[in-house]
Amino acid sequence: QQQVKQSPQSLIVQKGGISIINCAYENTAFDYFPWYQQFPGKGPALLIAIRPDVSEKKEGRFTISFNKSAKQFSLHIMDSQPGDSATYFCAARNQNDYKLSFGAGTTVTVRA
Amino acid sequence: DVKVTQSSRYLVKRTGEKVFLECVQDMDHENMFWYRQDPGLGLRLIYFSYDVKMKEKGDIPEGYSVSREKKERFSLILESASTNQTSMYLCASSLDPSGTYEQYFGPGTRLTVT
Repeated sequence: QQQVKQSPQSLIVQKGGISIINCAYENTAFDYFPWYQQFPGKGPALLIAIRPDVSEKKEGRFTISFNKSAKQFSLHIMDSQPGDSATYFCAARNQNDYKLSFGAGTTVTVRA
Repeated sequence: DVKVTQSSRYLVKRTGEKVFLECVQDMDHENMFWYRQDPGLGLRLIYFSYDVKMKEKGDIPEGYSVSREKKERFSLILESASTNQTSMYLCASSLDPSGTYEQYFGPGTRLTVT
């Protein structure tokens, strides 16, 4: 079964709005949490990542919030732009074997 | 720039055929991975390799095998293709698994088995 649960499956946001994608996990062996962005016809590319010893990380308009006790983390896209329209995957790395487990993905559509 | 290339963007094969998917990276990365991507399931790890001649099973290795004879090349083999192996296949490479590392993905091969 999927070790990282991601929601929603898809979302539509107006230009300038905020997109929020949520992920949850159970495995306490996860120690690193990257987010990947994938455009149609391309492979995923690393967007931003966080370790569980910090609660928030911001890079430009993208922010990861991390709640270690709840085993949840989320991606916020501020001031969403049409160029942000893509599929976003959260992931978690197992510290024992370094394998990444991915969420199911969220397709974000930003309307101009 | 790191470049991961995959031999085909689209492939159509018949049930029972032996299928080879090739992946090449040009950044001297130690680690290479094969995933399949399906709607609603995200990316699932099939096999990975931490060094030449080495291979490790991922989460869904059944029906697949791999070969890594050279550091830059990692091949995925479908021994006898079946319709449930119709999917997008993604290859990735990374420098070092022990630290905070990024996986670099190729553009994918969309395989259809009829």
